[in-house]
Amino acid sequence: NAGVTQTPKFRILKIGQSMTLQCTQDMNHNYMYWYRQDPGMGLKLIYYSVGAGITDKGEVPNGYNVSRSTTEDFPLRLELAAPSQTSVYFCASSSGGSGYEQFFGPGTRLTVL
Amino acid sequence: AQTVTQSQPEMSVQEAETVTLSCTYDTSESDYYLFWYKQPPSRQMILVIRQEAYKQQNATENRFSVNFQKAAKSFSLKISDSQLGDAAMYFCAYIYSTNAGKSTFGDGTTLTVKP
Repeated sequence: NAGVTQTPKFRILKIGQSMTLQCTQDMNHNYMYWYRQDPGMGLKLIYYSVGAGITDKGEVPNGYNVSRSTTEDFPLRLELAAPSQTSVYFCASSSGGSGYEQFFGPGTRLTVL
Repeated sequence: AQTVTQSQPEMSVQEAETVTLSCTYDTSESDYYLFWYKQPPSRQMILVIRQEAYKQQNATENRFSVNFQKAAKSFSLKISDSQLGDAAMYFCAYIYSTNAGKSTFGDGTTLTVKP
């Protein structure tokens, strides 16, 4: 099993550009999450999904959009990138059982200049 | 809304000694899980230990144990016989059982292990 994979690993965007961060899990997990981690800080929940077709906002959703058309994929869309979106982005998944442990991807480091 | 507070931004411990990392949380729910995750310099998040709120017994995983005080909403992590490989950032996290989307992390504690 690959677990949770994220692409790309690194990206530099110019202000106003858009991009999609990809996340795929092969564990058939119902729950998927997007977090951002600013330098020296904890993880802030952007969006989450409890299953295909169902998404909801987390703590910091502004400037982002998500979709969940399949169980495996949970892409995060950044529209009109701003310097405040410079961060490391983590995708995670959970079965909802087994104590709700979240399995994390390796992260995407995004810089907006 | 749930909040998770880690009041120690940085901690250090001598190799082979014991260290305790603090975490407090605030929630109105009664059924939830608490976690400690480790984030080494590689950036990969790794589960260290989990605690179910309805279980009174404190969780233990080898050298890692927790002190869970539900009434006080406190969830500290004790690392015994500290090793150089324990050096990392440690995050306390909360998740609500009925809606596992309600996931909240603390700001982390950076642990340094001195040889």
